[in-house]
Amino acid sequence: QVQLQESGPGLVKPSETLSLTCTVSGYSISSGYYWGWIRQSPGKGLEWIGTIYHAGNTYYNPPLKSRVTLSMDTSKNQFSLKLRSVTAADTAVYFCARVKHDDYTLPEIWGQGTLVTVSS
Amino acid sequence: QSALTQPASVSGSPGQSITISCTGTSSDVGGYNYVSWYQHHPGKAPKLMIYDVSDRPSGVSNRFSGSKSGNTASLTISGLQAEDEADYYCSSFTTSSTRVFGTGTKVTVL
Repeated sequence: QVQLQESGPGLVKPSETLSLTCTVSGYSISSGYYWGWIRQSPGKGLEWIGTIYHAGNTYYNPPLKSRVTLSMDTSKNQFSLKLRSVTAADTAVYFCARVKHDDYTLPEIWGQGTLVTVSS
Repeated sequence: QSALTQPASVSGSPGQSITISCTGTSSDVGGYNYVSWYQHHPGKAPKLMIYDVSDRPSGVSNRFSGSKSGNTASLTISGLQAEDEADYYCSSFTTSSTRVFGTGTKVTVL
């Protein structure tokens, strides 16, 4: 059974970089599938952030593309999100997910999410 | 990309059927058969209930069904049960090759 768990700081200062890691159990991320991030904020609802493939291909939501980097560490069975130059608008619950193999935008199995607050 | 429009809340009694609508545009819902629905019990991981308009992932009850007409997709829950009380979100692939989500609907079992 595939399970995902987000981890990282719950508080980030404005203008700094938000960094989160997703640890996957029950499946080797190097075996395939896309892996992605989604966030849920009070103001904007659910928002697709981006997706990474085990071969290194990345796909980002255009409004966030200039500030986002996704990466994978197959040795730890983890993938990560970095969001630069954060503002209060980036305060949200961040979810990681395994993405459907034939649609890189469709989250299939989700983690429980982690709340990140941007505040000084 | 604007969020897809869903009713804020829908309620029904146990055993009844309810339908949740999800309205978009020809650039998302109307343009592709790539609508999906998620069930979210707050504090838990969202669960994929329907994908590609009407397909159910393995393990999802056949009480959940999806459909689409024009720019509006729908999720129907038949034989409503207490465990179905949750938030439901639709989503769609878009012409920008991204995914847009709905505003969310809170389902209450009376």
